[in-house]
Formats: sequence, structure tokens, C-alpha cells
Amino acid sequence: QSALTQPASVSGSPGQSIAISCTGTSSDVGGYNYVSWYQHHPGKAPKLMIYEVSNRPSGVPDRFSGSKSGNTASLTISGLQADDEADYYCSSYTGYSAVFGTGTKVTVL
Amino acid sequence: QVQLVQSGAEVKKPGASVRVSCKASGYTFTGHYMHWVRQAPAQGFEWMGWINCNTGATNYAQKFQGRVTMTRDTSISTAYMELSRLTSDDTAVYYCLRVGGPSGWYWDYWGQGTLVTVSS
Repeated sequence: QSALTQPASVSGSPGQSIAISCTGTSSDVGGYNYVSWYQHHPGKAPKLMIYEVSNRPSGVPDRFSGSKSGNTASLTISGLQADDEADYYCSSYTGYSAVFGTGTKVTVL
Repeated sequence: QVQLVQSGAEVKKPGASVRVSCKASGYTFTGHYMHWVRQAPAQGFEWMGWINCNTGATNYAQKFQGRVTMTRDTSISTAYMELSRLTSDDTAVYYCLRVGGPSGWYWDYWGQGTLVTVSS
């Protein structure tokens, strides 16, 4: 199972909006509405930000939103803040297992 | 509050086995599946498998079939992941993850991670 493809890095200024893509195939991202997103500050436990494509857990700011079109899912962060600087990973169900994205480093300029 | 506390870092020689524990608290242990993933240095996450903490049923990623064993002890709310025949490629941080909902394929709590280093 190949990793889902994410851009290596995305950057933006405080207050701006950015989007992170997560591209897979019809066997994973495109085949199921089971895409989730995780924020990872190195050295800490990853944090769930979005589940089942577009659902936000309680406590996650509504600045974070998720969507999907075909084989590509996206995480959008609006009103970028300094604390959003982290690595972000997507994950998808594959029908019998899970696969993660390659990871995206978000930098707040 | 929900917590998953993992065992400490391990250093193992090639060919050895390692067992990582994950002690759960703050929720009904048998009410949630537990998954395990790992992250090798400077790489992304790799899914290893899951265990049904109620029944003990397991499902392993094909890559780890025959080398990984996931178990649990409900009396102490602890899940275990044992990986055998270690090589340097198994050097990674290993995480336990609690399934967040009925779909079973997202994780709302992660352990703090356990670094396993395989070196001769």
C-alpha cells in the first residue's frame, strides 16, 4: 500500500488561509469517507483535527476544515496562527487497513 | 481524562524481540479497539494493526504478518505490541492509538510514543 501524497511544505502569514492536499486512489481516499487529519508537533503525541473527511472533534477550532473531491482530500486552515506551525498527516481507510500521507510541514511566516 | 501511557525506550540487537505496553485510563478499556502505528526517523507513519480490546481479536498489516503480536490484559487496561526478528529497519517510534468512533478508522487519543532502537 503506497503512502498518500501530500506536499512536503506549505507556508502562510498569520491570518491567511492555507490548504493541504492528500492524494490517493480509488482504493483508499476515493473509495471511502474515512479520511482523517492529524497535527503533530515533534516530540508530542499527534492530535486528531478532522475525522471522516469533514468532521471536527470537540475542542478543535472551526478554523480547521476538511473536504474531499474524488481521490484527493484537503485540510484547510483559515486565520493561520503561530501555534498552527506543525507537521500534518492525513490517513485513509483502505478496505482492510489504513494508510498515512507523506506529511506536510506547515510554516507560519 | 483519557490517557494512554506507553512503556519506555528500548534498545535491542538485531534478531531480538521487543514488547511495548500501552496503559489506558479514563475510559472503559474494553469499549474501544486499539491500533498501533510506527514512525521511522524522518519518515511518515506506518499502520501496523489493531486489537479488539474486548475479545482480543486482531488484524495485522500484511507487512508485519508473522512478526507482530498484539495482546491485551483487561484486568490492568493495558495493550501490548510485540515485534520479533528485529532489524535496523524497525528502528522507529511506536505509538498506540485509541479508535475514536464506530467507523473504527480514526484515532482520538495517541500514546506518547516509545522509541525502539535496533543496533548491534
